[in-house]
Amino acid sequence: DAKTTQPTSMDCAEGRAANLPCNHSTISGNEYVYWYRQIHSQGPQYIIHGLKNNETNEMASLIITEDRKSSTLILPHATLRDTAVYYCIVRATTQGGSEKLVFGKGTKLTVNP
Amino acid sequence: ETGVTQTPRHLVMGMTNKKSLKCEQHLGHNAMYWYKQSAKKPLELMFVYSLEERVENNSVPSRFSPECPNSSHLFLHLHTLQPEDSALYLCASSQDGTRGYSPLHFGNGTRLTVT
Repeated sequence: DAKTTQPTSMDCAEGRAANLPCNHSTISGNEYVYWYRQIHSQGPQYIIHGLKNNETNEMASLIITEDRKSSTLILPHATLRDTAVYYCIVRATTQGGSEKLVFGKGTKLTVNP
Repeated sequence: ETGVTQTPRHLVMGMTNKKSLKCEQHLGHNAMYWYKQSAKKPLELMFVYSLEERVENNSVPSRFSPECPNSSHLFLHLHTLQPEDSALYLCASSQDGTRGYSPLHFGNGTRLTVT
């Protein structure tokens, strides 16, 4: 699986957009980008994933560059409850197999009032 | 409320004790996982069960023994642990064999302290 690089920490003001970058310059053609987050004292939570097109759901938007070497997770209106560690993971999908995601250290996002 | 329930939430045990961690998923999934999260370290995948068969064992010491009696329940039996085994143990589930992506659903973990 391709390696990802994320900033160790970021701050964001409440109500503003939080833009979390992820570099994955060695990504291969069949690898997807996944985002999870882990709020303190909870298990990780799935946010969104994508291959090459931008994706949006009720939680966030995922912008993947045209060369797919980097991506940005966008929380459009950050709240205090969005304070968490955000993990960017790159992996090929497993057709009919179990998900064996490898989590890195992630980005600690702190949303400030 | 999470669809994956782990008990107990906290556990303190001595090095000579035997204890078990329990995980139950209410999502109808057919794959279950144990992860370990030590302080200031990334999550480490320990075991994977798919359709109640163990399909992954990431070089975990034998003092950790998993059991998956059915697709809804997963146990982690612990014996003669070391203080460095103190960590947050997370259970997760997903649905294998579906078209498209089936995310991992995690429980809130058991915080284990070995004294």
